[in-house]
Amino acid sequence: GQNIDQPTEMTATEGAIVQINCTYQTSGFNGLFWYQQHAGEAPTFLSYNVLDGLEEKGRFSSFLSRSKGYSYLLLKELQMKDSASYLCAVKRNYGQNFVFGPGTRLSVLP
Amino acid sequence: GAVVSQHPSWVICKSGTSVKIECRSLDFQATTMFWYRQFPKQSLMLMATSNEGSKATYEQGVEKDKFLINHASLTLSTLTVTSAHPEDSSFYICSARLTSGSYEQYFGPGTRLTVT
Repeated sequence: GQNIDQPTEMTATEGAIVQINCTYQTSGFNGLFWYQQHAGEAPTFLSYNVLDGLEEKGRFSSFLSRSKGYSYLLLKELQMKDSASYLCAVKRNYGQNFVFGPGTRLSVLP
Repeated sequence: GAVVSQHPSWVICKSGTSVKIECRSLDFQATTMFWYRQFPKQSLMLMATSNEGSKATYEQGVEKDKFLINHASLTLSTLTVTSAHPEDSSFYICSARLTSGSYEQYFGPGTRLTVT
């Protein structure tokens, strides 16, 4: 089976930095994804990690430690539009599907 | 590129009727499409994996006779919710994966189903 955990809600201030954690326990791990989802909309792809380390893409960075079953998404220079749910998803090396975590609702305050 | 559309974007139907939702990959071919369901303030739950030209693979607990999936072409998959009930009211999202073997999934905009 698999288990993916994320904090339910987080709050941060505009211009600040926030780190959203994701821990997972799964067999056949083959990559971890982060998606952003605004209310009532479909998720949009943010990042993909399959090897350990940090992947940076503009204001967003994602980190993976496979030995610890741990990932985080780092958002810098927060903007109001970053208020959304952030979903981590694990891909397994068998089957063709992703397993999504519960999502973290981030509120960015002025 | 890699745009996925869904139709309709929202639908209201009466209990007992059937509703068909279409998922199209507009500018690429997708041998595999996925159907998810999302209840308010919850994450996406995979319902089934749809493979072009073959039967869909359903996740545990998803009734295949209630949620009929057809993937007749490389650009179209349909989900039919048969004999809908109010508890089927949800946000249904499809995604598609490029045939090139890309790891990434591209999501459609979702369909909000309300069963009265």
